[in-house]
Amino acid sequence: DAGVIQSPRHEVTEMGQEVTLRCKPISGHNSLFWYRQTMMRGLELLIYFNNNVPIDDSGMPEDRFSAKMPNASFSTLKIQPSEPRDSAVYFCASKEAGGWKAFFGQGTRLTVV
Amino acid sequence: AQSVTQPDIHITVSEGASLELRCNYSYGATPYLFWYVQSPGQGLQLLLKYFSGDTLVQGIKGFEAEFKRSQSSFNLRKPSVHWSDAAEYFCAVGAGDSSYKLIFGSGTRLLVRP
Repeated sequence: DAGVIQSPRHEVTEMGQEVTLRCKPISGHNSLFWYRQTMMRGLELLIYFNNNVPIDDSGMPEDRFSAKMPNASFSTLKIQPSEPRDSAVYFCASKEAGGWKAFFGQGTRLTVV
Repeated sequence: AQSVTQPDIHITVSEGASLELRCNYSYGATPYLFWYVQSPGQGLQLLLKYFSGDTLVQGIKGFEAEFKRSQSSFNLRKPSVHWSDAAEYFCAVGAGDSSYKLIFGSGTRLLVRP
């Protein structure tokens, strides 16, 4: 398996623009997580999906952020409109049902100028 | 509330020397504890985990960690560090139902001197 695949690896956008980050979890994994990593706040869980359903979105910072998982093999994290303080590395992770090991993607480094 | 503290932001050791990275957690129940490593530009890779049983757990790449309930600690150790171990290390506690939610410490960056 290719692991968790995130795209793009790097994204530079202007303030106010819409940004969409993509994630393909490992096949057969039914749990998916979006994390954000910043120098100031470290690694934070943004949202957790189980069987494509959002279970915990308490970490989503504000309404500008939204996440979807239309099927078991794809998820998106959208920021609209983007702001410079959204600059961070965004990680997607997945794990299988009943499993304990989360597999992380390589992350998307987002820069909002 | 659950939390994880890694008191050392940076640690520098010489290649071949032993290593210990500190981790303290705060969690009401029996914690699920993890150590992850992040190499530059990469995602996180699981080194080892503790759920129950033997308090000394072995992981990949020669790492081990010891769970000490009395000290609320889960320190990571390696007897002999290699230059390739230079990376950032994160301790995490699993919280929530089925411990799905990983709460990470702030990380310790390991530098290895030749």
